[in-house]
Amino acid sequence: AAGVIQSPRHLIKEKRETATLKCYPIPRHDTVYWYQQGPGQDPQFLISFYEKMQSDKGSIPDRFSAQQFSDYHSELNMSSLELGDSALYFCASSLGTSGAGAQYFGPGTRLLVL
Amino acid sequence: AQTVTQSQPEMSVQEAETVTLSCTYDTSENNYYLFWYKQPPSRQMILVIRQEAYKQQNATENRFSVNFQKAAKSFSLKISDSQLGDTAMYFCAFMKHAYSGAGSYQLTFGKGTKLSVIP
Repeated sequence: AAGVIQSPRHLIKEKRETATLKCYPIPRHDTVYWYQQGPGQDPQFLISFYEKMQSDKGSIPDRFSAQQFSDYHSELNMSSLELGDSALYFCASSLGTSGAGAQYFGPGTRLLVL
Repeated sequence: AQTVTQSQPEMSVQEAETVTLSCTYDTSENNYYLFWYKQPPSRQMILVIRQEAYKQQNATENRFSVNFQKAAKSFSLKISDSQLGDTAMYFCAFMKHAYSGAGSYQLTFGKGTKLSVIP
C-alpha cells in the first residue's frame, strides 16, 4: 500500500539559511500534519491542513510557514534556521473526519543545522 | 488542553512473554481517540492500535490489545508473545474527535516508553 512520502530524507543547512520540506500524502487523504521531534523527545505538533485550509495550529515558530496545494501535497518552509531547529520532521496524513482519526506518518526528514 | 502521561520510561521483557505498557491521560472532552504508536530504531512512526472513546469494547490487533478504562482515563497496551522486532519506543497519543467538515485535530503524545525484548 502507498505510504506518505517525504523529501528530502536528509538535509544539512547552515544557520540563517532556509529550508523547504515536502510531503506527499497517501492517495485520497485530504488532511496533512507536520510534527517536529527533537532528540529523545516526543513529536510536537506544528500545523495541519484540511482540504488546503489550515485546520489546526500548534507550536510553530513564526519563522516557519506551510501550505497545502491543490494536489494535496504540502510544503513546510523554514527560514532563518537556528541550531535548535535540528530535528526529525514528520509529515502525517489522514482521511479527514473519516478513518477514525488515524494519522499515518511518513519516514521523516532529518534536518541538521550547523 | 490534553495531557498524556507514560509513567514507565523503560521496560524489558523476555521473548515470547507478555508485557503491559501504561498510559493515563487528562481531558475534558467526551469524544476522542487514543492511539499507540511504535517507533523502532529507524525512527519511523508506526500506528499499532487505536481506540474510539465511545466504544466500550477494547481494541485488538493480532498480538496487541488495549485495556481502555474511560472513567479512570487509562489506556494500557498489552503485547503478547513478544518478539525481537517489538523492541522500540512506544508512544501513547490522544486526539480530540473532529466533527464533519473540520478536518482532524493534532495528536498529543506522551513521553514514550522504551521497550526492549530480550532473547
